[in-house]
Amino acid sequence: GAVVSQHPSWVICKSGTSVKIECRSLDFQATTMFWYRQFPKQSLMLMATSNEGSKATYEQGVEKDKFLINHASLTLSTLTVTSAHPEDSSFYICSARGRGAYEQYFGPGTRLTVT
Amino acid sequence: AQSVTQPDIHITVSEGASLELRCNYSYGATPYLFWYVQSPGQGLQLLLKYFSGDTLVQGIKGFEAEFKRSQSSFNLRKPSVHWSDAAEYFCAVVYQTGANNLFFGTGTRLTVIP
Repeated sequence: GAVVSQHPSWVICKSGTSVKIECRSLDFQATTMFWYRQFPKQSLMLMATSNEGSKATYEQGVEKDKFLINHASLTLSTLTVTSAHPEDSSFYICSARGRGAYEQYFGPGTRLTVT
Repeated sequence: AQSVTQPDIHITVSEGASLELRCNYSYGATPYLFWYVQSPGQGLQLLLKYFSGDTLVQGIKGFEAEFKRSQSSFNLRKPSVHWSDAAEYFCAVVYQTGANNLFFGTGTRLTVIP
């Protein structure tokens, strides 16, 4: 149980284009989903938290207009990196948490490379 | 301030040897504690968690962790390490402040020598 998928697992895009990453909870309802960014050999940096049907809450320093997050259903959240630049290249990981729960279950991550 | 400390950046052990990864947390109230493992290029997998009750918790893959309130610690242990245990290990804490977000330690990279 508690499986979270992410798609795509890796993506290469050109500078200036947008890319969408999907995060799905496969066997439970995720009332809250989280998006993290991880740099090589570093810990996870929380970018934003989204509750189903609500606007996402962004961490300080994260541009909400650049990283668009949608959590339209209890099983799907999307992260869209708009007007991507090479410095947006990173490993993006989503996680999901059920109602009343404290533990988060993580997706396998998406490697984004912007050329 | 809320923080999670993993003092060891990198640990190397021989296959079959025992393992202990350290984790210390700050803040006054008893937090909820987790250990996650991350293999290269992968997401994080939950190894075990502690909310309350018995301070020694068992997890998957033969791991266990012990909560020691007096030391603000939640160290991860395994009696006999396998080569497949080589990975990055993250201690994480939820402080019950409403948002209930996870605070991660900086991680400990485990290398296993044959």
